[in-house]
Amino acid sequence: NAGVTQTPKFRVLKTGQSMTLLCAQDMNHEYMYWYRQDPGMGLRLIHYSVGEGTTAKGEVPDGYNVSRLKKQNFLLGLESAAPSQTSVYFCASRRGTADTQYFGPGTRLTVL
Amino acid sequence: AQSVSQHNHHVILSEAASLELGCNYSYGGTVNLFWYVQYPGQHLQLLLKYFSGDPLVKGIKGFEAEFIKSKFSFNLRKPSVQWSDTAEYFCAVTLTDSWGKLQFGAGTQVVVTP
Repeated sequence: NAGVTQTPKFRVLKTGQSMTLLCAQDMNHEYMYWYRQDPGMGLRLIHYSVGEGTTAKGEVPDGYNVSRLKKQNFLLGLESAAPSQTSVYFCASRRGTADTQYFGPGTRLTVL
Repeated sequence: AQSVSQHNHHVILSEAASLELGCNYSYGGTVNLFWYVQYPGQHLQLLLKYFSGDPLVKGIKGFEAEFIKSKFSFNLRKPSVQWSDTAEYFCAVTLTDSWGKLQFGAGTQVVVTP
């Protein structure tokens, strides 16, 4: 049982490039979330999903897209990266809304 | 606007000292409350949570927190810290009807010196 995994761990992009971050969980959780962590701001919710095939916007969704084609995977896409998207990205999942949210190890993204 | 406030951004203390980290939230409805810890280079781990019942909650590694509804607070405490408690601590809140979305405070960096 690997829990929540994220790919890649590190990435450097140039402004305007695109990329996809992959989050996978093997706990059969319904709910999945993408957060970004910036110094002095805690974690902020980007997008979330309450089940396979569903997604919704969080607090800071602009510049990001997501997809949940399979229950175990939640993809975060950056279509045209900007330096303001330099951050550490965390994925999380939980079985139900009353359950503990489990976090992945994070992806450190730098946009030059 | 709904928010979560952590009173201190940085705390430095010596081993065996007591720790208390403040957390206040501004939601008017029923909330679930959490404290997460992030050790250097690691991902977030749950320290403790409050959903209902006894407002004094005990978590892992000797931490506890008290929910005071009238003060909209959920302060974290540990009677005697160790060097290994050096980490960043985050308070988080969800509304019970919010699909489990977490609203985080800005975090408190705690450094414990030997």
